[in-house]
Amino acid sequence: DAKTTQPPSMDCAEGRAANLPCNHSTISGNEYVYWYRQIHSQGPQYIIHGLKNNETNEMASLIITEDRKSSTLILPHATLRDTAVYYCIVRVATDDKIIFGKGTRLHILP
Amino acid sequence: DAGITQSPRHKVTETGTPVTLRCHQTENHRYMYWYRQDPGHGLRLIHYSYGVKDTDKGEVSDGYSVSRSKTEDFLLTLESATSSQTSVYFCAISGEYYGYTFGSGTRLTVV
Repeated sequence: DAKTTQPPSMDCAEGRAANLPCNHSTISGNEYVYWYRQIHSQGPQYIIHGLKNNETNEMASLIITEDRKSSTLILPHATLRDTAVYYCIVRVATDDKIIFGKGTRLHILP
Repeated sequence: DAGITQSPRHKVTETGTPVTLRCHQTENHRYMYWYRQDPGHGLRLIHYSYGVKDTDKGEVSDGYSVSRSKTEDFLLTLESATSSQTSVYFCAISGEYYGYTFGSGTRLTVV
């Protein structure tokens, strides 16, 4: 079973920040938090990952709580092209497989 | 995606026939995976490989077999295709630190 819990769907207005939450209360000390997204019928795409510090790249920011039991993916200025299913995954860096949950379906509203 | 290709992209086959899907990578990654995706089920792991000739079962392996005779190729075989195996199949590769890279998918229809 997936080790994370995400809301099944969220809406966000175009141009606003999209904040996607993820609960991973059983995360182990050596597990990273990864985020992927899947745009309709395409293969999932890597977004960002982190261990305990907040991370930012050209696509998004990842905020991990101090106790590491939850995290938030932030898309700072959502566009219609960000409409997708977003998956939060915890994974040991050298682990050999990922089990996907259902993810969050993000709708960007014009 | 760069470094990973799946073939064929689309296939229609008849019930009871064998089908082989191919995943090819140019990244020299150790780990390779096959997932299937169906409406209402999300991505489910079928089989994975952690090296040449080293494979293991995932969540939904019944009716599927895999082979990996060289690092760059991971083959998924449906020995006798059934309608329940109609799906979109994704291959993925993974380095030890960075995330997965997925292929573009193979849409398989069993009639």
